[in-house]
Amino acid sequence: DIQMTQSPSSLSASVGDRVTITCRASQGINNYLAWFQQKPGKAPKSLIYAASSLQSGVPSRFSGSGSGTDFTLTISSLQPEDFATYYCQQYNSSPYTFGQGTKLEIK
Amino acid sequence: EVQLVESGGGLVQPGGSLRLSCAASGFTFSSFAMSWVRQAPGKGLEWVSAISSSGGSTYYADSVKGRFTISRDNSKSTLYLQMNSLRAEDTAVYYCAKGASYFASGSYYDYWGQGTLVTVSS
Repeated sequence: DIQMTQSPSSLSASVGDRVTITCRASQGINNYLAWFQQKPGKAPKSLIYAASSLQSGVPSRFSGSGSGTDFTLTISSLQPEDFATYYCQQYNSSPYTFGQGTKLEIK
Repeated sequence: EVQLVESGGGLVQPGGSLRLSCAASGFTFSSFAMSWVRQAPGKGLEWVSAISSSGGSTYYADSVKGRFTISRDNSKSTLYLQMNSLRAEDTAVYYCAKGASYFASGSYYDYWGQGTLVTVSS
């Protein structure tokens, strides 16, 4: 099974900050990497697919990059509504594993 | 507008069974893979199972293999998860998610339902 490791597990930042979350796969995943945002009590929301493609309707301050086994999610200028938990997921091969999540909190 | 509405959750005793449903609308259900993802209370997301658009290919996490069965009825635009031999560790909110292509493999999830809570307890 492919293991997905996110870092950091939690992060404190302020409105307007630029933040980066990292996701590492235990083996190559052909850029089949997605990022999701989840707020408390809500369903996950798709942000990024294919490592760097922005899901329709997602603000352009969100971006994804990386290839091979190392990937990043960047939020260029944090907005109040961005404080949430973020997950990466590989969908290259079953089981389609998620990272453990990164909780982004207000500083 | 894509809508995914899960139902069928509830309280069940260990060793019991439950069938979850996910009613889909707003897209051509028969053209897209579908999946189930769960989240135990206070924990992260765990992928459970996926099925191709035709239903011909199915995939399972090791933790549920042999106990859970994913299926779909394309005529009813509905996804199912039959859960047998339930354990306390199966307690979670279960989400259905729409794949972005025909195939379960290589298909990211672009829309999610609101989830249904399954509680396994005596």
